[in-house]
Amino acid sequence: QITLKESGPTLVKPTQTLTLTCTFSGFSLSTSGVGVGWIRQPPGKALEWLALIYWDDDKRYSPSLKSRLTITKDTSKNQVVLTMTNMDPVDTATYYCAHRHPGDPFFDYWGQGTLVTVSS
Amino acid sequence: SYVLTQPPSVSVAPGKTARITCGGNNIGSKSVHWYQQKPGQAPVLVIYYDSDRPSGIPERFSGSNSGNTATLTISRVEAGDEADYYCQVWDSSSDHAVFGGGTQLTVL
Repeated sequence: QITLKESGPTLVKPTQTLTLTCTFSGFSLSTSGVGVGWIRQPPGKALEWLALIYWDDDKRYSPSLKSRLTITKDTSKNQVVLTMTNMDPVDTATYYCAHRHPGDPFFDYWGQGTLVTVSS
Repeated sequence: SYVLTQPPSVSVAPGKTARITCGGNNIGSKSVHWYQQKPGQAPVLVIYYDSDRPSGIPERFSGSNSGNTATLTISRVEAGDEADYYCQVWDSSSDHAVFGGGTQLTVL
């Protein structure tokens, strides 16, 4: 059974760096074809894809946010970490991590999400 | 960057058929995936590769994709189908995921 869970601060100040951790079980990020992505959703708005890391450490970023994002993995801990620099109130959103089906371009399992508020 | 366009809302009476569209330039050449999101919950995959259903998703959910429009069809709509629905593709030119703006399905 695949599960994912996001963790991190619920409140960050403008200009600060956000660090979110996705802890997962039921699969290994060392298995060929596997990926873990991050998607966010501002309150009342649409989903926005942020980043993806593959089993081979290949990484992809949203073109509009690429300069602010870093995604890394710790295979031994079954964790993926997303950092976003220079946080702004518009970055207030629920942040989800999700399992990308091996070799396929969709997300078949999602975490419950974590709400991050950016405010001074 | 590739853009997916969805109607903000669709309304349907119980027992009828709901059709939610997802427009994109030559989207028929891409694979489209659909997610259902109920209030306060994470998205759930309901259709992948245009028309395949994950296990556990009712046969009432189906999909199609041709030309510039992909369509999610929900037959015999139930009150429990009320949710936001998002289409998603993988933009191979820039190698990243793209989501549509979402459609709120209201069951009258």
